[in-house]
Amino acid sequence: DSGVTQTPKHLITATGQRVTLRCSPRSGDLSVYWYQQSLDQGLQFLIQYYNGEERAKGNILERFSAQQFPDLHSELNLSSLELGDSALYFCASSSGGSSYNEQFFGPGTRLTVL
Amino acid sequence: QQQVKQSPQSLIVQKGGISIINCAYENTAFDYFPWYQQFPGKGPALLIAIRPDVSEKKEGRFTISFNKSAKQFSLHIMDSQPGDSATYFCAATGNSGGGADGLTFGKGTHLIIQP
Repeated sequence: DSGVTQTPKHLITATGQRVTLRCSPRSGDLSVYWYQQSLDQGLQFLIQYYNGEERAKGNILERFSAQQFPDLHSELNLSSLELGDSALYFCASSSGGSSYNEQFFGPGTRLTVL
Repeated sequence: QQQVKQSPQSLIVQKGGISIINCAYENTAFDYFPWYQQFPGKGPALLIAIRPDVSEKKEGRFTISFNKSAKQFSLHIMDSQPGDSATYFCAATGNSGGGADGLTFGKGTHLIIQP
């Protein structure tokens, strides 16, 4: 158990809808990363927050957004969902703000868009 | 653009054998190369990592070999055990433009160790 929690475990929704994925980092970790894992694209870095501020941005679509709250939990919002957004979404946390710090991954949220 | 290329896609090794997974990168700004292990239904977990100032790093049965000039690195699993059966991802990161970047992952290698 990495100490990172993600809810929900599974999410099934329809095209055009909006969903919110939630992540609680390990106690004491200030950074939260979001990744998307799909069969064709593999594991892709989406975005990083450090202590409430956006720190780095990867291949995140404009339809997706994230934030980190004062209690350090993070939410990833996915809107105008398309079939291709079906994937596993992982959250990871680390103590520091650099990607050189070890990242601890949560169990993931499996999103299915029908 | 795939910045980290990983091979093979899948690998079957007999128990006790050596498992070898290779990765190549393009971005010369990368300067930290971790390997992650993922079991079904779980998130990836850090296995071992290397910086380009050394050519090899060993932790138990796991060794990373690094060739900076060729921009290649590989994971060797010695005395492979059935419990090593998992998906392995190489990754890379580096600071570009003064900020921290996220991890860029290879596509993964599905390793099966046959008893």
